[in-house]
Amino acid sequence: AQSVTQPDIHITVSEGASLELRCNYSYGATPYLFWYVQSPGQGLQLLLKYFSGDTLVQGIKGFEAEFKRSQSSFNLRKPSVHWSDAAEYFCAVASNSGYALNFGKGTSLLVTP
Amino acid sequence: DTEVTQTPKHLVMGMTNKKSLKCEQHMGHRAMYWYKQKAKKPPELMFVYSYEKLSINESVPSRFSPECPNSSLLNLHLHALQPEDSALYLCASSPQTSSLYNEQFFGPGTRLTVL
Repeated sequence: AQSVTQPDIHITVSEGASLELRCNYSYGATPYLFWYVQSPGQGLQLLLKYFSGDTLVQGIKGFEAEFKRSQSSFNLRKPSVHWSDAAEYFCAVASNSGYALNFGKGTSLLVTP
Repeated sequence: DTEVTQTPKHLVMGMTNKKSLKCEQHMGHRAMYWYKQKAKKPPELMFVYSYEKLSINESVPSRFSPECPNSSLLNLHLHALQPEDSALYLCASSPQTSSLYNEQFFGPGTRLTVL
């Protein structure tokens, strides 16, 4: 079954520093991958998605992600983090059934002054 | 209109109460979902409706009863809940379910507390 793993439970970065959140997928064929962000007590907002084509995907809020088949990864990046980026970040992969999204366990981002 | 709305935002109920959660979208999406999310955990899929018909029930207890009155509206009826059912309940929608291009749009959630 398709699954994703987020190796980092917590990440702390200084405001203005660069960010990379890791996501590894487990799927033989081309996976359909997503990054969502969730602020405390809020719903999930889609940052970006990868279906096919260009492996560098641009998203909202200055985020980008790169699909690397050789490393089975879909890491999320941002060149300069803002305090408002502090949130929970979920990587997800579409299931074969087309119904469900299989989420990673999430990475909690803390931004320090 | 590109959003999913959910009401109420917060709900506190006793174990003998009956209440309902409401979700609405006006994006013309034909698939709608209920998720349950406990603190510090990813969302867990509960139900999927496709073209207003229940497609998936992820072995959810019968004290949760979903309903899809029309293509824009999704309800979750709650009865005789347990304290462990306290969680954030998220609604989502997507254009369809029959494709892997399954971009889901989430609502803000209903924070449910069962006393």
